[in-house]
Amino acid sequence: EPEVTQTPSHQVTQMGQEVILRCVPISNHLYFYWYRQILGQKVEFLVSFYNNEISEKSEIFDDQFSVERPDGSNFTLKIRSTKLEDSAMYFCASCGWGERYNEQFFGPGTRLTVL
Amino acid sequence: AQSVSQHNHHVILSEAASLELGCNYSYGGTVNLFWYVQYPGQHLQLLLKYFSGDPLVKGIKGFEAEFIKSKFSFNLRKPSVQWSDTAEYFCAVNTNYGNNRLAFGKGNQVVVIP
Repeated sequence: EPEVTQTPSHQVTQMGQEVILRCVPISNHLYFYWYRQILGQKVEFLVSFYNNEISEKSEIFDDQFSVERPDGSNFTLKIRSTKLEDSAMYFCASCGWGERYNEQFFGPGTRLTVL
Repeated sequence: AQSVSQHNHHVILSEAASLELGCNYSYGGTVNLFWYVQYPGQHLQLLLKYFSGDPLVKGIKGFEAEFIKSKFSFNLRKPSVQWSDTAEYFCAVNTNYGNNRLAFGKGNQVVVIP
């Protein structure tokens, strides 16, 4: 069964550094999402992406964050200048269309640690 | 915006015991409801979902959930748990409007003792 994949599984970075988290959604899916989960807290929506543009973003998704789909397969989340509070598990998700529109498939996550 | 509440964040029970996890949401319109499970070291997997129709939905691994619209609830149940059900369980909701974003509850950490 097709899966959403994410790399790396764990990223450690220094505060102020840029990080890029990578996701490969399921190949025929059209809608893409990033969520994050700070340790001990809820999974929170960050951004949704459709037709090569952001369709919705949360208040968490400020100017330090950006997303891109540079080719037909990858979907990336960039954090320009990381802060300690960006330490979290970041999940990518994708979904199809029609009947499959409401079912999001999640990747295994990238654990980001900012020191 | 939708919000989701899950109580009793940590649940410990023995094998063969019954499990019920509560989920309440706040949103006045039509919602879609989900339970996701995250086994240790693995990604979020869909257990079951409710879009419309029969409010009692059956999912994988013997789980079921009941949508009670009047109570804004979507509780998850399993009559007899196994050690392999040790996991974190998340209730989530979205709507048919907007961009399909999911709002999650805080999760229930369930530990089943053999």
